[in-house]
This record gives sequence, C-alpha cells and structure tokens, in this order.
Amino acid sequence: EPEVTQTPSHQVTQMGQEVILRCVPISNHLYFYWYRQILGQKVEFLVSFYNNEISEKSEIFDDQFSVERPDGSNFTLKIRSTKLEDSAMYFCATGLAGEDTQYFGPGTRLTVL
Amino acid sequence: GENVEQHPSTLSVQEGDSAVIKCTYSDSASNYFPWYKQELGKRPQLIIDIRSNVGEKKDQRIAVTLNKTAKHFSLHITETQPEDSAVYFCAADGGSNYKLTFGKGTLLTVNP
Repeated sequence: EPEVTQTPSHQVTQMGQEVILRCVPISNHLYFYWYRQILGQKVEFLVSFYNNEISEKSEIFDDQFSVERPDGSNFTLKIRSTKLEDSAMYFCATGLAGEDTQYFGPGTRLTVL
Repeated sequence: GENVEQHPSTLSVQEGDSAVIKCTYSDSASNYFPWYKQELGKRPQLIIDIRSNVGEKKDQRIAVTLNKTAKHFSLHITETQPEDSAVYFCAADGGSNYKLTFGKGTLLTVNP
C-alpha cells in the first residue's frame, strides 16, 4: 500500500538557522498538509496546499514558514529562522481530490538547540 | 474556528473489555470526523471515520457514533487487545476540505 514519506526523520539545528522538511505524497494525491505535534500534545494544523497555492493556514504559520512544491513531486515546509519553540514532530499529510481522508507521513522530528 | 474536546485523557481497561472515547466539537459546519491511532513514535493512522450523513459506522471491533444535534461523536472498541494500546485522536473538519482540528488525545492502555 502506498504511503507518504518524509525526510529527514530527525533534524537537529541551531536556533536561527533555516530548515527544510521534505514530503513525498502518495501518487495522485493533490491535497497537501503540514501539521505539527509538540511532544505529548495534540496534532496541530499548520497549512494546506492545493493547486500550487495555500488553501488555508493557522495562526502558527507565520512569516517564518513557507511551503512549496518545487518539482511536482516533493512538498516542502521551510522554516526560515528557527526558534526553540519550533521543536516538534512535523507531519505531512496528503489526500485525493474530492475525498476527506488525510494520510499521514511518518514525521520529521525537529530539534532546535 | 473549530474546537474539539476529547475525554478521557487516559483510559485503562482489561483485555476483552470495551473502551469508549468521546469527543465534542463546536462548529456545526463540520461534516467529517476521523479517528486516528498513534503508537509511540509512529505516524497517526486512520482507523475509522464518519460523515455527517450517517449516525453510526462499524468496522469489525471498532465503531463510531455521531450525534450532530449534540455535536458529539464517540469511538467504541470492543473485545480490546493489548495491541490496541496507543493514543487515539479524534478530529473534525470544521466544514473545510483543507484542515483537521484534533482533540488532545486519549492514551488507551489494555492490560493483559
């Protein structure tokens, strides 16, 4: 069964550095999402992306965050200048057009020192 | 925006017993309600979902009920097994195709 994949599995960075998290969606999926989960807390929505533009974003998704689909396959989340509070597990999710179901990737654990 | 409350935060049952987890939501526009199971360090896995045009859905030992009037939905697991131990999250879509709002999760422990 096809699955969403994410790289890297773990990223350690210094505060103020830029990081790029990558996601490879399930083939034919056209809706893309990023969520984050701070350790021990609930999953929080960051942003959704469809037809090469942001569909919706949360208050967490400020100017430090950006998303793009640079090559038609990968879907990336960039954090320009990381803060300590950005430390979390970041999940990519994807879905088919016309369907509600979202399929989650394995996550990238981001640690900001 | 949508707000999802989930109870209990922890639930411990004996193997073979039933487990019930309840969620309430605030936005009457919500019409899609998935449940995810997350084992430690793993991705959330969809286990069952329900849409607002039905009141109940069952898949083997798992069932979900939805009461749109009261804005609550519940997950029922029967004949629990140790491998059911995990964190379970409910979610609602707030009437949007573009986001899910999650509850805080329930840590289910099934004791053998």
